[in-house]
Amino acid sequence: AQSVTQPDIHITVSEGASLELRCNYSYGATPYLFWYVQSPGQGLQLLLKYFSGDTLVQGIKGFEAEFKRSHSSFNLRKPSVHWSDAAEYFCAVGRPRSGGSYIPTFGRGTSLIVHP
Amino acid sequence: DGGITQSPKYLFRKEGQNVTLSCEQNLNHDAMYWYRQDPGQGLRLIYYSQIVNDFQKGDIAEGYSVSREKKESFPLTVTSAQKNPTAFYLCASSMGTGVKTEAFFGQGTRLTVV
Repeated sequence: AQSVTQPDIHITVSEGASLELRCNYSYGATPYLFWYVQSPGQGLQLLLKYFSGDTLVQGIKGFEAEFKRSHSSFNLRKPSVHWSDAAEYFCAVGRPRSGGSYIPTFGRGTSLIVHP
Repeated sequence: DGGITQSPKYLFRKEGQNVTLSCEQNLNHDAMYWYRQDPGQGLRLIYYSQIVNDFQKGDIAEGYSVSREKKESFPLTVTSAQKNPTAFYLCASSMGTGVKTEAFFGQGTRLTVV
C-alpha cells in the first residue's frame, strides 16, 4: 500500500496565483514529514521539514506547509507562484523500519506548471 | 563545500553487463541511501546503510548490490539480473536513521541500457 500519497500528478497555475499541493501519509505515529523540490535532471532540494511542535512550518523560497494529524496530511502552500517555481515536488515521510530507524519514503511527485 | 557527489552523470551500459555507480559524501553522515526514479513513480528505495559495513535491502533490491567499506562511500552495482535498469539513480545521506534529520541528495546518475 502507498505510504505517501500525492493525489495530483500535474498542477497548472498562473504566475502570481496561490498554490496548494496535497500530501497524505498512512502512518499512525507522528511522522517526520518533508517536502522536496526537483528541477529536471537534478537532485532533490529540501523545501521544509516537520518533526514536532508548531504545525505550520515555514520553508525556503516562500513555501509553507501545515501538518494536520486529523487528516493525515501535510499540504504545501505558496501565496504567489513565480515562473521559477515550475518543477517536480515530492512529499516524503520518515517511514519506521526495524531497529528504530526511519527511512525517507517518497510520494510519486506532483509536477507544477506555471503559466505566464 | 560539503555535499554528495555522484558520478558519472550519464552512463550507458550494454545488456548483460554489470555497472557501478559512485556515491561519495563529505558530510560525515552515518546513513546513506540509494533510490531509483522512474517517471510517474517517485523515488523507490533500493538499499540503505546505517553504518559502515552494514546495509539493508529496500523495496526494490533485486538485481542490485552495494557495499559500505568506508563511511564516505556507498557504491551501487547494477547487475545483469536487473531486468529494466534504465532509470535515474539518486544517492542520499543523512546524519542517521534514528535521529530527526533530513536526507541530502546528490545530483543523480542517468543510466541507459543500449
